[in-house]
Amino acid sequence: EAQVTQNPRYLITVTGKKLTVTCSQNMNHEYMSWYRQDPGLGLRQIYYSMNVEVTDKGDVPEGYKVSRKEKRNFPLILESPSPNQTSLYFCASKLNRGGAHEQYFGPGTRLTVT
Amino acid sequence: KNQVEQSPQSLIILEGKNCTLQCNYTVSPFSNLRWYKQDTGRGPVSLTIMTFSENTKSNGRYTATLDADTKQSSLHITASQLSDSASYICVVTVGAGKSTFGDGTTLTVKP
Repeated sequence: EAQVTQNPRYLITVTGKKLTVTCSQNMNHEYMSWYRQDPGLGLRQIYYSMNVEVTDKGDVPEGYKVSRKEKRNFPLILESPSPNQTSLYFCASKLNRGGAHEQYFGPGTRLTVT
Repeated sequence: KNQVEQSPQSLIILEGKNCTLQCNYTVSPFSNLRWYKQDTGRGPVSLTIMTFSENTKSNGRYTATLDADTKQSSLHITASQLSDSASYICVVTVGAGKSTFGDGTTLTVKP
């Protein structure tokens, strides 16, 4: 079954404690991205990756890091989380950046930073 | 600035009724437009994808239309069901591949 998985699904942490949210896809997609969703603001792109070792900033990259060492994995790293990073996070993938390809979203990770 | 505006912000309808959601965009150069359905707390799921040359696309009870000249799209839901209660998101992608998301329309279907 084609899918994007994220872990953990729920996370409560404290300010400054480094954390990583994992994302994995089984469709051999080149393009992967991370979004955050906040009430009234819709989905905003944090980082994206067009292929292995190719990453770039989205609209709201501050406070986040990513890496793409393997095609299937695209972890999101918060080196020093702050309360304003409390949000619902989604990982997504599609075949490549251009073209009318289906984009698949993960189930989401709800992060609370106290 | 590229923008995607959706209306209405929220909508309540009775089960079995039809409804239409709107999406106006200013992004350029246009590549494709997608409609997603997002259940509360879950990831968006694609309903339709339309390119410049397509002006209508259906997926079951969902029909999307696109007018590239006026930069407007609509999503029509026929014979609504309780399970249609969700947020519907319009996403427009430009030629370079960057996508702009609308804020969504929250639809509530009541019995």
